[in-house]
Amino acid sequence: SQQGEEDPQALSIQEGENATMNCSYKTSINNLQWYRQNSGRGLVHLILIRSNEREKHSGRLRVTLDTSKKSSSLLITASRAADTASYFCATHNAGNNRKLIWGLGTSLAVNP
Amino acid sequence: DGGITQSPKYLFRKEGQNVTLSCEQNLNHDAMYWYRQDPGQGLRLIYYSQIVNDFQKGDIAEGYSVSREKKESFPLTVTSAQKNPTAFYLCASSPLEAAKETQYFGPGTRLLVL
Repeated sequence: SQQGEEDPQALSIQEGENATMNCSYKTSINNLQWYRQNSGRGLVHLILIRSNEREKHSGRLRVTLDTSKKSSSLLITASRAADTASYFCATHNAGNNRKLIWGLGTSLAVNP
Repeated sequence: DGGITQSPKYLFRKEGQNVTLSCEQNLNHDAMYWYRQDPGQGLRLIYYSQIVNDFQKGDIAEGYSVSREKKESFPLTVTSAQKNPTAFYLCASSPLEAAKETQYFGPGTRLLVL
């Protein structure tokens, strides 16, 4: 079952602009992860944020986590055409379970 | 090079035919997963395995079967009971340690019905 819900479903921006995607979830989590998928390819892990963390950075990526609102955001700064892809959030829920629960994704188009 | 390989890249299935998708990893990961992705949708878990000779059903296991005879390999069979098999299939693996829940994905297999 899908738990995460990304918002917006699709986003189109110009190169150099920032892109913000949001993810909401429903249950207590151990961590939340963001993945990227280029068209017709496998997913690539971008960043993981644990339930006791509020913000994390990796290069041009900034992830925030608000456990009180059960939501996370992914910010890509100074976007490039090569950032065009679908972005998915996935949560690892509290409890002894090895599954990730996936959102439906945000499709990002960065126009040159 | 370490990683996950899936083959074939494209697979065609005839009516009533079983087909098997290959997934191999050399990352020494204990856990392996199979997902189905339909256009415009997220990933849905078909089966997963945390250890050799053991596997569990995911959310959409009907019409699929798996085996885990070796740590490195987790093949998925799409049986004739799966009436709508056209989709993109993704295999992933991960370490079992609690601190490392990242999943590593293969390039995917696109299954089409003739």
